[in-house]
Amino acid sequence: AQKITQTQPGMFVQEKEAVTLDCTYDTSDPSYGLFWYKQPSSGEMIFLIYQGSYDQQNATEGRYSLNFQKARKSANLVISASQLGDSAMYFCAMREGWTGNQFYFGTGTSLTVIP
Amino acid sequence: KAGVTQTPRYLIKTRGQQVTLSCSPISGHRSVSWYQQTPGQGLQFLFEYFSETQRNKGNFPGRFSGRQFSNSRSEMNVSTLELGDSALYLCASSSDPGQKYSPLHFGNGTRLTVT
Repeated sequence: AQKITQTQPGMFVQEKEAVTLDCTYDTSDPSYGLFWYKQPSSGEMIFLIYQGSYDQQNATEGRYSLNFQKARKSANLVISASQLGDSAMYFCAMREGWTGNQFYFGTGTSLTVIP
Repeated sequence: KAGVTQTPRYLIKTRGQQVTLSCSPISGHRSVSWYQQTPGQGLQFLFEYFSETQRNKGNFPGRFSGRQFSNSRSEMNVSTLELGDSALYLCASSSDPGQKYSPLHFGNGTRLTVT
């Protein structure tokens, strides 16, 4: 089974609107971390936001927030007030357990912000 | 702090040759990971090094190898190149997670083309 599933290959959003990018995960480990990354066309992977499995509150970083629903094993990224510079690929990732540092990535969602 | 530096940015090699990619992590980061990114397979974990020891290895053939030096710099080697090795190779560093998961910080990648 896939560790990380992103079911939206492509998304469009109007500038200044909010958008939600979906991510579901699969793990039997009670300890894990969930991450979102942005990859513009230039190629670099930019870390956006992190949520730990034991964190009680949803993570927020500026315009980014993570809608963490543990029972549903979902960790959706919400981008508020979209900007043209938000157009990029977005990857959800997970690291489970405490040994090593292997991250599992989803297949990504391509977000296009329309002016 | 300087970010993760990968060299070279671009490489063109011929099938059967070997190649070495280099990665300098963020100062103070002791964990260095390598990922292969292709349009078909997405981001796939190659291996992770911590304090000069390989901690995790992904599901890649033995032609893919790596090492880490005492200053945390890492190299990745691919021998007997195949056309399917054409990809963006991303290096990422992180501080040792401890009790909280640390995000991966990525370099700009090395784009390898095998002809």
